[in-house]
Amino acid sequence: DAKTTQPTSMDCAEGRAANLPCNHSTISGNEYVYWYRQIHSQGPQYIIHGLKNNETNEMASLIITEDRKSSTLILPHATLRDTAVYYCIVYSSGTYKYIFGTGTRLKVLA
Amino acid sequence: GAVVSQHPSWVICKSGTSVKIECRSLDFQATTMFWYRQFPKQSLMLMATSNEGSKATYEQGVEKDKFLINHASLTLSTLTVTSAHPEDSSFYICSASPGTGLFEAFFGQGTRLTVV
Repeated sequence: DAKTTQPTSMDCAEGRAANLPCNHSTISGNEYVYWYRQIHSQGPQYIIHGLKNNETNEMASLIITEDRKSSTLILPHATLRDTAVYYCIVYSSGTYKYIFGTGTRLKVLA
Repeated sequence: GAVVSQHPSWVICKSGTSVKIECRSLDFQATTMFWYRQFPKQSLMLMATSNEGSKATYEQGVEKDKFLINHASLTLSTLTVTSAHPEDSSFYICSASPGTGLFEAFFGQGTRLTVV
């Protein structure tokens, strides 16, 4: 399973964009990048996923580099409720497993 | 999004007893369910993967006789922690997927187990 590397923690001012990076240099061609977040003492919440094209939904945007070795999750206008641990996951449709890395603890500051 | 419900949300049990945690997919049929364990300030650790009607596949280092998983229907999986000890105290989370291809997994709200 491909591993992911994320910064341990980040701060972001409320209303500003939060850019969360993720390295997945060993990703294979058929593996997807998924992002989940976990607010304290709750189950993870799905945010977005992509293969090689950039993706956008109502929650966030996902930018994947051309070589697919890294990606960035963008929360365009962070709010206090976005304070959470954000997990970047490489998902293989072959193994069907979501393997969580250490995640980034994002703190949105008022 | 789809809803996955876990029960109970928290449980306290005495050392040596067994505890069962239920995971239900409320509005879809879950071909595959996953069980995770999470210690404080740590990430989720995958314990096992279960497919409806077949035996669960356990990750390396997870004792299958201690953590019994049953996935008897397409909407229900159970995790039983047998002969629980204080070191089994943790946050247990299940997730469910409607298929085995490219489907996002939906997570339950978690169960906090405390063994005293």
